[in-house]
Amino acid sequence: AQSVSQHNHHVILSEAASLELGCNYSYGGTVNLFWYVQYPGQHLQLLLKYFSGDPLVKGIKGFEAEFIKSKFSFNLRKPSVQWSDTAEYFCAIDLSTGNQFYFGTGTSLTVIP
Amino acid sequence: KAGVTQTPRYLIKTRGQQVTLSCSPISGHRSVSWYQQTPGQGLQFLFEYFSETQRNKGNFPGRFSGRQFSNSRSEMNVSTLELGDSALYLCASSLALTSRRSPFFGPGTRLTVL
Repeated sequence: AQSVSQHNHHVILSEAASLELGCNYSYGGTVNLFWYVQYPGQHLQLLLKYFSGDPLVKGIKGFEAEFIKSKFSFNLRKPSVQWSDTAEYFCAIDLSTGNQFYFGTGTSLTVIP
Repeated sequence: KAGVTQTPRYLIKTRGQQVTLSCSPISGHRSVSWYQQTPGQGLQFLFEYFSETQRNKGNFPGRFSGRQFSNSRSEMNVSTLELGDSALYLCASSLALTSRRSPFFGPGTRLTVL
């Protein structure tokens, strides 16, 4: 069965530290990849997405992610986090068949000023 | 353009009751999907509707059902509520059932079952 794994459940960083959140998926076919963010008290928002082409994608607020097909990974990165990045981050895949989205369990990021 | 709206935002019910949640997609969006979000479980897919037809269904019991109206608005119903049904229920809309969609999420309905 298809699945998405986010191994970091809770990450705590100081402001200006670099961030990398892991995301791995299990599916042998073509996938579309997403990162969503949920700020405290707000709804899920799309950070970035990958459909095809350059495996390094840039999203909003300085986030980027790299798709490594051989590792079935789509890790999220940000070179310097801010207190306002405190949120829950969800990785998701959408199969090329357009069937349904599969979400990871989320990573809670706390940035300490 | 207005976003996805969900009503009500909060609900408190007791075990055994039933509940109906509503979702209005972004104007022009015809696909609506529902998710259950709980701590530690992330988002779990319930079902997806497109053009008033259920296109996909997740692994939830038959107590969970839904429908979509001709204006693309959707409702989900949970009958015989259990304590474990307490969760944030999210609705997402997208233009169509294409392979390059990016769903937009609503704020959710927080359901508490006592």
